Amino acid sequence: KQEVTQIPAALSVPEGENLVLNCSFTDSAIYNLQWFRQDPGKGLTSLLLIQSSQREQTSGRLNASLDKSSGRSTLYIAASQPGDSATYLCAPFNQGGKLIFGQGTELSVKP
Amino acid sequence: EADIYQTPRYLVIGTGKKITLECSQTMGHDKMYWYQQDPGMELHLIHYSYGVNSTEKGDLSSESTVSRIRTEHFPLTLESARPSHTSQDLCASKRGGGTEAFFGQGTRLTVV
Repeated sequence: KQEVTQIPAALSVPEGENLVLNCSFTDSAIYNLQWFRQDPGKGLTSLLLIQSSQREQTSGRLNASLDKSSGRSTLYIAASQPGDSATYLCAPFNQGGKLIFGQGTELSVKP
Repeated sequence: EADIYQTPRYLVIGTGKKITLECSQTMGHDKMYWYQQDPGMELHLIHYSYGVNSTEKGDLSSESTVSRIRTEHFPLTLESARPSHTSQDLCASKRGGGTEAFFGQGTRLTVV
């Protein structure tokens, strides 16, 4: 059974810092992995999708990497802003398309 | 821009009432999902569908049921609500293969 762990559980940083969020998963037989953000009381917004054959994916200030064999993915956020404050979730999914979530990393960026 | 909609956004209802949460997507996605999220907790898959007339139970046991009569709609029904059903329920959809999943804004259900 796939289990997902995200470290740290919570992170508070001053504006402008570069930061790294970590995601590990127990079953490396994944198809793809997707990173989301969730604002309080809201749904999930897709940030990046990494195909299993890719090692990295970039969108603006976000860069996600995937090391499938070791069961790890990282999300790098450059030059953090207060608007980045949210909970960040990673979700590996298998060929059947079921996404499995961890508890997320709650990020607070202080002005 | 994700075209997946959930109604209602908020629902406060009394114990014993029947409820139906609606989820609709206009992207023609075959796969649809319902996730349950308790306050401050992780998302758990409760139902999924790979297409019309296909429904499966997810990893977390739920008293709710779902139907998939049309590609666009994936409603969730709870016959008799209880306070323990208070949660946020999120609907998602995706195409097959290695494509992105898109989520609706969620329904926050409170049973009093």
